[in-house]
Amino acid sequence: EVQLVESGGGLVQPGGSLRLSCAASGFSLNDYGMHWVRQVPGKGLEWVSGISWNSGSLDYVDSVKGRFTISRDNANNSLNLHMNSLREDDTAVYYCVKDIQRSHAPYAFDMWGQGTRVTVSS
Amino acid sequence: DIRVTQSPSSLSASLGDRVTITCRASQRLSNCLNWYQLKPGKAPTLLISAASSLQSGVPSRFSGSGSGTDFTLTITNLQPEDLAAYYCQQTYSSPYTFGQGTKLEI
Repeated sequence: EVQLVESGGGLVQPGGSLRLSCAASGFSLNDYGMHWVRQVPGKGLEWVSGISWNSGSLDYVDSVKGRFTISRDNANNSLNLHMNSLREDDTAVYYCVKDIQRSHAPYAFDMWGQGTRVTVSS
Repeated sequence: DIRVTQSPSSLSASLGDRVTITCRASQRLSNCLNWYQLKPGKAPTLLISAASSLQSGVPSRFSGSGSGTDFTLTITNLQPEDLAAYYCQQTYSSPYTFGQGTKLEI
């Protein structure tokens, strides 16, 4: 089955760290840009970060710059998001998303995972 | 950052109706606007890319139009399975902002 499956979410205290992972199955991530998008419960969607097919280009929304790091392992067909210095406003469901094209700059997100929930609370 | 204002925030319609959702951007996007459908417990789905390109497998009752700053998603002959939230997203410049979403009730 062609799918993206996220893992690594959970409850963490403010200032803590988490590492989200996304495993692709049924296709190869190698040729596509990949992104993370989050949704605060009951609210809208926010693009968080993107990475080009070869990790040559990265981009982040300002609110996570310096705290989050996106990376990919094409050999293992996976995507990661390292999240440090977490804040309560980072609480959200985080989606792993595949782009139609190779760049870190998105064209359109044609495949989404089911999401993993991150809760930042003391 | 580019602001994308989506309206309405919620919409109640009947089976067979035609509904329209609009997104207005704070600056010109060319055709760099996509539409997504979100259903509870399911992975989101890309409906329309580049303002008007219907994705493979998406029913033809969905259509998109517009360019520049004003864009529209139209659903004709509304079906029960169209109960969902709909979001537009601009991919013209970073950060790639979404509209606030439209919750469609049937």
